Amino acid sequence: GAGVSQSPSNKVTEKGKDVELRCDPISGHTALYWYRQSLGQGLEFLIYFQGNSAPDKSGLPSDRFSAERTGGSVSTLTIQRTQQEDSAVYLCASSFGDGETQYFGPGTRLLVL
Amino acid sequence: LAKTTQPISMDSYEGQEVNITCSHNNIATNDYITWYQQFPSQGPRFIIQGYKTKVTNEVASLFIPADRKSSTLSLPRVSLSDTAVYYCLVGRNTGRRALTFGSGTRLQVQP
Repeated sequence: GAGVSQSPSNKVTEKGKDVELRCDPISGHTALYWYRQSLGQGLEFLIYFQGNSAPDKSGLPSDRFSAERTGGSVSTLTIQRTQQEDSAVYLCASSFGDGETQYFGPGTRLLVL
Repeated sequence: LAKTTQPISMDSYEGQEVNITCSHNNIATNDYITWYQQFPSQGPRFIIQGYKTKVTNEVASLFIPADRKSSTLSLPRVSLSDTAVYYCLVGRNTGRRALTFGSGTRLQVQP
């Protein structure tokens, strides 16, 4: 079946603008994760959803970052007042349940000018 | 969380077996060992997971000694398409939701 999809694949924005990144998890997967990967670095955990609730938001770097999930499916990561240090690849993953294998999407490459 | 240490990079040639070792001295009793592969411009892809002894699937083998303080990912007869970054992760299979990625091992396979 279809894997995790993310949109847009690339986003260029100006400093101070807001951006929304979308993740469509694999159908039936209840758990959804957002990560960030800076150039040449490992992945940094941002937030985790189980269903529509987010029991772990510990990785969100600042209050400019927020995320929501509706209908137990699609998730949106919003970055307000973007800064140049927000430039990175934002990866979404989903899993069938808590602790199960995570399947990653292709990521959204964000560049803040 | 158990910290992992793995080589920054490795080089190999097509057809050779590649072994990547990861150290995790502080691994907890409930922790599993998982390896992911990441190609440029793609998200990580699950390769293999184990708890102890040896696990084998169609892609790789994972060797875990009795003390579980290290693990070795074995890739048989690598090809150019195996050039990627390989991440070793240690964590509980349940209860620990997010994955903690280190810097990974960059494997370069030469013709």
